[in-house]
Amino acid sequence: QVQLVQSGAEVRKPGASVKVSCKASGYYFRSYGITWVRQAPGQGPEWMGWISTHSGETRYAQKFQGRVTLTSDTASTTASMELKSLRSDDTAVYFCARNGDYSQLGRLDHWGQGTLVTVSS
Amino acid sequence: IVLTQSPLSLPVTPGEPASISCRSSQSLLRSTGYNYLDWYLQKPGQSPQLLIYFASNRASGVPDRFSGSGSGTDFTLKISRVEAEDVGVYYCAQAQQTSVTFGGGTKVEIQ
Repeated sequence: QVQLVQSGAEVRKPGASVKVSCKASGYYFRSYGITWVRQAPGQGPEWMGWISTHSGETRYAQKFQGRVTLTSDTASTTASMELKSLRSDDTAVYFCARNGDYSQLGRLDHWGQGTLVTVSS
Repeated sequence: IVLTQSPLSLPVTPGEPASISCRSSQSLLRSTGYNYLDWYLQKPGQSPQLLIYFASNRASGVPDRFSGSGSGTDFTLKISRVEAEDVGVYYCAQAQQTSVTFGGGTKVEIQ
């Protein structure tokens, strides 16, 4: 069955960076894109960006341009999200999700379990 | 694109129907003929799960009591007979453009 398993919770100080990984299994990795979404405490989901696991093409939300980098490794079927220059308002649960359709950025049909990133001095 | 959901909170009775509205600031209909509007349910303490894509297509494994309708800027998610396991926050999301936005959410609770 399709599974996306994310790395564990992280604590960082303001100004630091964090990298969250997402290990995919149960399907052909290169046939589906991976999207990253975050959810601050008590808030709704917020789209961060998308990566094509086939070509490496990326699209980022304007809000995160220059601070976020999405990568994918087909050999290990793992996608990663790195966020730099962390601030306290980056404290959130970060999710990876599979795009069920390569023709669009939506249709997120499988999700990871989420990774809590806490930014605190 | 801004998505506005209503109501913010929806008390429901098991066995009764329920309906959630999602209004978009721009049309979500593309030249493909599809409306790029999804519905997700986030149960307490869980990751969101896809219910509906392309406005009216049920995702794999989703019970047929869930249905989506609408086109352009106005969309509706309906639950024909609410069950206790349906509680959580429902979000609509659009992917019509080169980014994705989510609605503010509708919290469904058993009354």
